[in-house]
Amino acid sequence: DGGITQSPKYLFRKEGQNVTLSCEQNLNHDAMYWYRQDPGQGLRLIYYSQIVNDFQKGDIAEGYSVSREKKESFPLTVTSAQKNPTAFYLCASSTLTRSPQETQYFGPGTRLLVL
Amino acid sequence: AQKITQTQPGMFVQEKEAVTLDCTYDTSDQSYGLFWYKQPSSGEMIFLIYQGSYDEQNATEGRYSLNFQKARKSANLVISASQLGDSAMYFCAMREGRNSGNTPLVFGKGTRLSVIA
Repeated sequence: DGGITQSPKYLFRKEGQNVTLSCEQNLNHDAMYWYRQDPGQGLRLIYYSQIVNDFQKGDIAEGYSVSREKKESFPLTVTSAQKNPTAFYLCASSTLTRSPQETQYFGPGTRLLVL
Repeated sequence: AQKITQTQPGMFVQEKEAVTLDCTYDTSDQSYGLFWYKQPSSGEMIFLIYQGSYDEQNATEGRYSLNFQKARKSANLVISASQLGDSAMYFCAMREGRNSGNTPLVFGKGTRLSVIA
């Protein structure tokens, strides 16, 4: 079945530690996105990528880094510079079209907790 | 300024009744798209319905319909015949621009809907 997978489902981070969240899709989508969700805040964009080896900062990129070496994969690293990383992280993807109707499809999410 | 405003943090509805979830948006673009997503307690985001700015008719998908009032910049979601499984967070989102298909969506803060038996 085609879809988006995120792992792990739960992730625990110690102070000063970098952690990486995995996002893989087999939908042959060109564009991929990372959002952060805090209670009462909706979804906020961290990074997005429209093609391999290229990505753009979103509204809250500080303390995060990404890479896009393969079309299928868009991992997100939460660095020690991110002082408040506890949140629910959602990865999404979409095809590369011009139409504003293009739907974004989401993975099941990763919940990050700080120890 | 908020691009998407959802003014109802929480809503209750009796099973089998209809409910309207409000969404207003702010854009100066003539071309844009509006989306509604459902997020159950499991956390996954489920796409429900889409309305384009040039669509002359309100979008419908099964029990979901969109009350699109362009002049008022509102795109309210109507759920008919509510079911217990409709209890979830609901998010309104927008994408602006004529050729914006691969750009990120901007989301509102959501409305938590609770369906009562």
